[in-house]
Amino acid sequence: GENVEQHPSTLSVQEGDSAVIKCTYSDSASNYFPWYKQELGKGPQLIIDIRSNVGEKKDQRIAVTLNKTAKHFSLHITETQPEDSAVYFCAASIYSGGGADGLTFGKGTHLIIQP
Amino acid sequence: DGGITQSPKYLFRKEGQNVTLSCEQNLNHDAMYWYRQDPGQGLRLIYYSQIVNDFQKGDIAEGYSVSREKKESFPLTVTSAQKNPTAFYLCASSATSRWEQYFGPGTRLTVT
Repeated sequence: GENVEQHPSTLSVQEGDSAVIKCTYSDSASNYFPWYKQELGKGPQLIIDIRSNVGEKKDQRIAVTLNKTAKHFSLHITETQPEDSAVYFCAASIYSGGGADGLTFGKGTHLIIQP
Repeated sequence: DGGITQSPKYLFRKEGQNVTLSCEQNLNHDAMYWYRQDPGQGLRLIYYSQIVNDFQKGDIAEGYSVSREKKESFPLTVTSAQKNPTAFYLCASSATSRWEQYFGPGTRLTVT
């Protein structure tokens, strides 16, 4: 089955700097890669996603890049703010016309924004 | 107000008892999912259902059971056979025509 590795486990950056979180996956059939933000005691919130036919996607301060050949994808957050502090998870799945299988998650990155 | 509801937020049970966690959605989504999260870990898939009256095992289905009698409901039963039931349980749903999965607020189960 699919295996997703996520690094680093903890990332501390100064407010205003950029943060990068990296993930690798093992199953070349995976074609959908979402990123979630989870605050303490809450359910994960989808913040951005990318499909395998796209190399990069941006949404304001957040961007995701995908390298299918190397089987890795990354989350980039620019101009970090205190409210960006949370745990971030990458995930991978296989989507077919009939719907998506479950997601395989990385173990998470605790992002700390230092004031 | 559309969304995914999980109740209760906190649940306490004695070892050896079965317990059922509720998940309801009014998003008209076809697919529903159950995940388990342990401290410092990612989420792991327990069961999922892409259509009423059908469901598939995920990576860690042992000790759990589900039913999908209605489109909007996907309850999860944690049985006494589950060796380490204490965890944070998360329900998610998605539309068949869409790729995104959306999560509920979770239920924290503590078994002593």
